[in-house]
Order: sequence, then C-alpha cells, then structure tokens
Amino acid sequence: SQQGEEDPQALSIQEGENATMNCSYKTSINNLQWYRQNSGRGLVHLILIRSNEREKHSGRLRVTLDTSKKSSSLLITASRAADTASYFCATPLSGSARQLTFGSGTQLTVLP
Amino acid sequence: DGGITQSPKYLFRKEGQNVTLSCEQNLNHDAMYWYRQDPGQGLRLIYYSQIVNDFQKGDIAEGYSVSREKKESFPLTVTSAQKNPTAFYLCASSIGGLDSDEQFFGPGTRLTVL
Repeated sequence: SQQGEEDPQALSIQEGENATMNCSYKTSINNLQWYRQNSGRGLVHLILIRSNEREKHSGRLRVTLDTSKKSSSLLITASRAADTASYFCATPLSGSARQLTFGSGTQLTVLP
Repeated sequence: DGGITQSPKYLFRKEGQNVTLSCEQNLNHDAMYWYRQDPGQGLRLIYYSQIVNDFQKGDIAEGYSVSREKKESFPLTVTSAQKNPTAFYLCASSIGGLDSDEQFFGPGTRLTVL
C-alpha cells in the first residue's frame, strides 16, 4: 500500500550546493509531508504542503507540489554537512486520510 | 518538555519470547502510531490508535499487539508469532482530526532477536 516514492535513492553533493529530491505518488491526496531522519533516530517533520498549494518555503527548504503530475520536490539550498540525513515524503493513505504512507527515502550526503 | 519517548533504546530478545516496547507522549495528542523500519527502507505501519480504547491494524499487524488504555501511552508487544522481528521500531503521535497532520516521532527502539 506504499503511495509515495522518492527519487533519487541516494544523493551526494558538496557543501554549499543545492540538493533536490523528488517524490511521486499514485492517488489523489489532500496534502503531502516531508520528513527528515538522521541515522538511527526518529523522524522530524519538515514541511506540509496542501493540495491547493503549489509551493511552500521554510528557511532553506522549498517544496513544490504538482497535483496534475502527482509529484513533489524538496529543494535544500546552500546545503551544509549537518543536512546529511534521509528524507522521506509521506502522503495520506488512500481511503483513510489520517494514516500516512512513507516512501523508501532519499539518502542525502553533504560532503564538507 | 513536551515530547514523545520510547524505551528501551536497544532491546535483545531470544526467539520465542514476547517483548513489550514502551511509548509515552505528553503532547495531549489523540492519535498514536507504531511503525517498523528495516535497513534502507521506509516506514511501515503496524497499528494506530485514534482515541483511547480504540486501535486499528496497519499494513503489517500480524505478530504484534497493542493497547491504548491511557491517552499518553501506546505500548507495542512483539509476540513470538512475529517471524522476523529484528527491526527499528518507531512510535509517533499526532493531534488527530479529520485530516492527516504532522506526526511527532519518538527516538525509536532497536529490537534484535538473538
């Protein structure tokens, strides 16, 4: 019942560069969320974008949502070594808005 | 401090034993969730509870059981019926309501079956 899937699976960049991760999903949604997970830790909520929004910013994060393509992107600008983590998109499970389904994540490595 | 806690951080179990993982939150959230995460994978939902004394099976409930006797607590028991229990277990909570909302996660429990 996995809904969202991130791309790429892994991404390695230099400090100061921008990192872009993508998420595709299958069914209509009313919102999409992005989470971050440091190795061996719990997930931390980054941002929620609703289906009537096309773009949202939070600090160095920029999220877009294209409901016609059923896709979202997460852009981290001016990346830092501390941004190294796994990033997951989460979407409501079809037929049950309160449950979320998570993709397999993008492992981002920012090299100093 | 408000938050969600899980204990223990590491847990070792012999085959055939049941173990219970603790999850407590003081965020006054109605909804609570248990997820399983295997190496390099995303999260899979085991059980969730939208309100006290009510819980629903997720995608991979077989071999697990839960209870929700108090709003703050949502313990997960991994039974001997779970064939491959070694994994990282994450508990989460959310305000609950008509729409999916931000989930707050605990630090996780890593269970290893010896």
